[in-house]
Amino acid sequence: KAGVTQTPRYLIKTRGQQVTLSCSPISGHRSVSWYQQTPGQGLQFLFEYFSETQRNKGNFPGRFSGRQFSNSRSEMNVSTLELGDSALYLCASSLGAVGAFFGQGTRLTVV
Amino acid sequence: GENVEQHPSTLSVQEGDSAVIKCTYSDSASNYFPWYKQELGKRPQLIIDIRSNVGEKKDQRIAVTLNKTAKHFSLHITETQPEDSAVYFCAASESSGDKLTFGTGTRLAVRP
Repeated sequence: KAGVTQTPRYLIKTRGQQVTLSCSPISGHRSVSWYQQTPGQGLQFLFEYFSETQRNKGNFPGRFSGRQFSNSRSEMNVSTLELGDSALYLCASSLGAVGAFFGQGTRLTVV
Repeated sequence: GENVEQHPSTLSVQEGDSAVIKCTYSDSASNYFPWYKQELGKRPQLIIDIRSNVGEKKDQRIAVTLNKTAKHFSLHITETQPEDSAVYFCAASESSGDKLTFGTGTRLAVRP
């Protein structure tokens, strides 16, 4: 069974631009969550989607948004990028009581 | 909201010794406590988890204990090996499909 797949793996963007990251969950998993990982703040929850509906949202500004499609694939978007948005963005998928499994992440660098 | 504290931030042990990492949480509604291992440049990997109706769970050399009254849980690794060297994160949530609140991580180094 294929794991969680995130694309792209690496991204370099300029301040003020926007970016879209993609996540394909494990087949059959309907819940997808996004996390931001930085050396200073650790792993922080961004949002969670289940059956195309956002169920939970973390404490991030409105520049961070996401969505989930009917095939459970999810995208997150960051608009008006700031230097502080440089981070590893991780997606995790889960199915009921099985637990959350992470993708390899997208390393975003904002210059 | 939930707050998870994790100690120590770094831990160095001799190969073959045991390692213990401790976490405390604040929200009594939390019922699910997973542990993740993250090697350098790799994804966090779920290594063991425990639910609030269980006090202890073991999987080969790793075990997790939970004290719901005191709101703390611990990861125990016995007979450590160099390949156990990584950053370990504890987390808490209301259920396994819910958002996870992570601890700040413990960098474990196992000296050969």
